Parts: sequence; C-alpha cells; structure tokens
Amino acid sequence: GAVVSQHPSRVICKSGTSVKIECRSLDFQATTMFWYRQFPKKSLMLMATSNEGSKATYEQGVEKDKFLINHASLTLSTLTVTSAHPEDSSFYICSAPRDGNTIYFGEGSWLTVV
Amino acid sequence: KQEVTQIPAALSVPEGENLVLNCSFTDSAIYNLQWFRQDPGKGLTSLLLIQSSQREQTSGRLNASLDKSSGRSTLYIAASQPGDSATYLCATSGGYQKVTFGTGTKLQVIP
Repeated sequence: GAVVSQHPSRVICKSGTSVKIECRSLDFQATTMFWYRQFPKKSLMLMATSNEGSKATYEQGVEKDKFLINHASLTLSTLTVTSAHPEDSSFYICSAPRDGNTIYFGEGSWLTVV
Repeated sequence: KQEVTQIPAALSVPEGENLVLNCSFTDSAIYNLQWFRQDPGKGLTSLLLIQSSQREQTSGRLNASLDKSSGRSTLYIAASQPGDSATYLCATSGGYQKVTFGTGTKLQVIP
C-alpha cells in the first residue's frame, strides 16, 4: 500500500483563489519532504524542500510567496498555491525519504485553474 | 548538476513486441534509479527501483538494468500489450535525497 498519501488527486479552482495540497507520510516520520511540478515536455522539476519546523528551501526561479509550503508536523507537508493563475495549472507531486535514501512519492495532484 | 535524458521521446510498437526504453544520466554518483509509469491525467506508479549496488531488477514482464559507470539504465518490456501504453519516466536519487527525473518516453502499443 501507499506510504505517502497526497490529497486531493485532482482539483479545479478559479483564478485568484488559493488551493492547498497535502502530502502525508502514512507510517513513518519525515523531517524532509520534497515538492515537484511537471512542466510540458520537461518532466518533473523540483520546486522546494519542505523542512519540518523550519522554512522551506526553494529552488531557483520558484516564487516562495506564491507557492507556500508548511511542514507543521513530522507526517504532513502542505503546498498552497496562492492567487492561482491558469499558468499554475500543472501536476504537482510530493516525495518523502524513508530509511535513508529510499524515496516514496505521493500519487500526485492535478491542478486546473480556470 | 544531474541531467537525466530519455530516448526516444516517443515510441510506437505493435502489440506483442519486446521493447527497450533508454535512460542516461550525467552524474554517476547516485543512490538508486527508479522507473515510473504515468498514465494520462494520472499520478506516478513506481515500477522498479534499482539500488546503486545492483545491476538489474525484474518484475513480471519488466526488467530494468543499471550501469552506473556508463550512466545508463534500460527498461525492457517483454511481450508488450496495449495496456502498457503510457509515459515512462526514469529518475535518479542523489545527494540530499533529491530526485532528478528524465524527460520521459511516451509509449504507444498498437493492438
């Protein structure tokens, strides 16, 4: 079964609103989680590293004020897309390492901004 | 910086054919390499994970190989079926637990 759960799997929101995506580690604690975004013809790109109890580390070019990441507990990280725009429509996926370098991925979330 | 490339970008084969998908990476200092499948509008499904100390992994009709020294991995699909049609992604796991994904190969198996 899944060890990392992501919710929702699919969401539609209106331009200008905010939408939250959750990533949970189900039976292990994850002090670090990662968020990726899929770009057309560019595969999945790392957006940020979510750190439990501290600020997220964003990759170059990712707007931290637009993509808010909160890692409030050892099993939950959230990605909030603020003031959503149609160009934010994409596939977002999280991952969490377990037992060292074994990385587990969530199911992913498809975001459509209309 | 790790770069992962997959060739071809798209592949179309008749049902029943055996096929090979290729993945190359520039930095051989990886912990493992993983192959995923993504169906249109769906999430990622993990297919095979090869640790850096391993040479290959098998699951059913799938066999993945890893040659770290040459920076290559292949995914072999035997007796392809229409249900195998999807985009296949390879991904390397390196330092700081970050994963670098390849560009993907879109496979179509024609009945």
